[in-house]
Formats: sequence, structure tokens, C-alpha cells
Amino acid sequence: AQSVAQPEDQVNVAEGNPLTVKCTYSVSGNPYLFWYVQYPNRGLQFLLKYITGDNLVKGSYGFEAEFNKSQTSFHLKKPSALVSDSALYFCAVRDNGGGFKTIFGAGTRLFVKA
Amino acid sequence: IAGITQAPTSQILAAGRRMTLRCTQDMRHNAMYWYRQDLGLGLRLIHYSNTAGTTGKGEVPDGYSVSRANTDDFPLTLASAVPSQTSVYFCASSLEYTNTGELFFGEGSRLTVL
Repeated sequence: AQSVAQPEDQVNVAEGNPLTVKCTYSVSGNPYLFWYVQYPNRGLQFLLKYITGDNLVKGSYGFEAEFNKSQTSFHLKKPSALVSDSALYFCAVRDNGGGFKTIFGAGTRLFVKA
Repeated sequence: IAGITQAPTSQILAAGRRMTLRCTQDMRHNAMYWYRQDLGLGLRLIHYSNTAGTTGKGEVPDGYSVSRANTDDFPLTLASAVPSQTSVYFCASSLEYTNTGELFFGEGSRLTVL
């Protein structure tokens, strides 16, 4: 069965510092991986996805993610954090074996301190 | 503005009552989904529809029903609400019922069952 793990409930970083939000996955076939962001009392917004090709994927708001097949990871990164990046981040996976479900991680709350 | 509209935004409901959460999209997306979000559990799929006229069960379908009479509308009904259905409910859509497309989310409906 496919699954997603976000090992950190919360990540704290100072404004201007680089940030990493971790995600590992388990699927039976090749994965399709996504990151979403949720601001307070809002719905989720799509940030970026990995389907195939380059392992480094660039997305919205300066975020990027690196797909690592050997480590089954898809960590979200940003070179310089902003206070406005503070939000709840979800990693999600779909497998390409005919499954339809998007499986979400439990979420990681990011706090960026000024 | 194109997107997904959910109603109501918030509702308090007595146990045993019937409730319908409404969802309308104007993006002409074929696939629609209902998720519930609970603290520490991420998002879990309740029901989905890959095109008008068809529906399917997700991870946690018990106690919920859906219909998809047309492309735009995808209501979620709780026939007899129970306290464990207290949650935030998100409607989402994607262009096609494929594994590569990202999801677009509504702003959510917060439901409290007493």
C-alpha cells in the first residue's frame, strides 16, 4: 500500500535562512509526488509536483523539491525563508499503477521567525 | 474568479440530523473529490467522481453519500450525523481523472456535530 511520511510535526527557521520540510514515500510503482500548502482557514494550494524528468523540481513562491529515488524522499526546500511562508505543508503521492487516490501526509507546520 | 465554492463555511449540527455540504466548480474539471481533514491525520478521501454520472468510495466512505448529476456540482450528504464526523471538509477537483494532475481545493466547510 502506498503511504507518505512527514517525520516532523513542526519546523522552525529564521527569516532569511534556508528551509527544508521532509517527506518520504512508499509506493509499489513509480511515484507521482506533490507538495501543497495550507494557510490558516484556507483550502490547500498546489506548490509543485514531480512526475518524471529532472530530480529537482521548481514550483510556486520560490519553493523547490528534490526527488531522490534511492532514499524514497521528496523534500521541500527554499533557499531563503520568509515570514509569509509560515503555513502547513502537505506532501502527497499517487502511484502510476492505475490507482486514483492521492495519499496525503499528516502535514508539517512551518514557523518562520522574523 | 474561477474555482471551487463550498457551502456552508461553518455549521453546528445536532447528532442524528441530515446535512448536505455543497460544492460547485466552474473550471469544467471532470474529476471531483471530497476529503476530510483531522488534526494529525492529514486529509482522507471520502468519495470521488471521475466524471459526471459516476461516483466511487474513498478511504473513509461510511456515513457519507455523494451524487454527481452534472459536471459542476458534487454535494456530500451525511444521512444521520454522528460526533465522529466533526471535521473540516474539503471539496477538490482535477482536470482529468489521471495520476499526474494536481488538485484544486475549495476553502472548506467546518462541521461540528454535537
